[in-house]
Amino acid sequence: GEDVEQSLFLSVREGDSSVINCTYTDSSSTYLYWYKQEPGAGLQLLTYIFSNMDMKQDQRLTVLLNKKDKHLSLRIADTQTGDSAIYFCAAGGSQGNLIFGKGTKLSVKP
Amino acid sequence: EAGVVQSPRYKIIEKKQPVAFWCNPISGHNTLYWYLQNLGQGPELLIRYENEEAVDDSQLPKDRFSAERLKGVDSTLKIQPAELGDSAVYLCASSLGDTVMNEQYFGPGTRLTVT
Repeated sequence: GEDVEQSLFLSVREGDSSVINCTYTDSSSTYLYWYKQEPGAGLQLLTYIFSNMDMKQDQRLTVLLNKKDKHLSLRIADTQTGDSAIYFCAAGGSQGNLIFGKGTKLSVKP
Repeated sequence: EAGVVQSPRYKIIEKKQPVAFWCNPISGHNTLYWYLQNLGQGPELLIRYENEEAVDDSQLPKDRFSAERLKGVDSTLKIQPAELGDSAVYLCASSLGDTVMNEQYFGPGTRLTVT
């Protein structure tokens, strides 16, 4: 079945850019998603990209998709302490559900 | 507009006891999902409803877990009897379900602790 892999931790300084990487196995995934989870809260959809796109930019967020390598990345420009959270990559499964990675914990140091 | 509502937010029970979680999706969302999130893991789908029909329950442990979505709105997830390994966060999500994009909105979850 579909598998989604992410690095578990990332630490950056406030004002720097953060890049969170993800790989997935199912090349038929139509949409790929980035969710943010703050402590004690549910998941919040940050952004998504359609599989026929290479890049999508939304304010401070840039998503890059390399479909050949099945690699997805999320870049957060000018990272703030409020961006500290766990970021999940998710791929659309064949049954309409989402397959999530284990999440990358982003720590932003002042 | 209210988001996905879940209750209770926290539940502590002893093993072998029953427990139930409730979810109220966003108004108008036909598709409802229950996910299990273990500590340090991403959410994993337990069951997906299209209106009142369970269209994907392949990952639901049917010996102890059950779910229902009467009238195609609210849903209840039940565990009977609970085991220590069921300690986790149970997330409910909903979506319009009529687009390929399928944006899912998540509730805050119910954190279950089985002692």
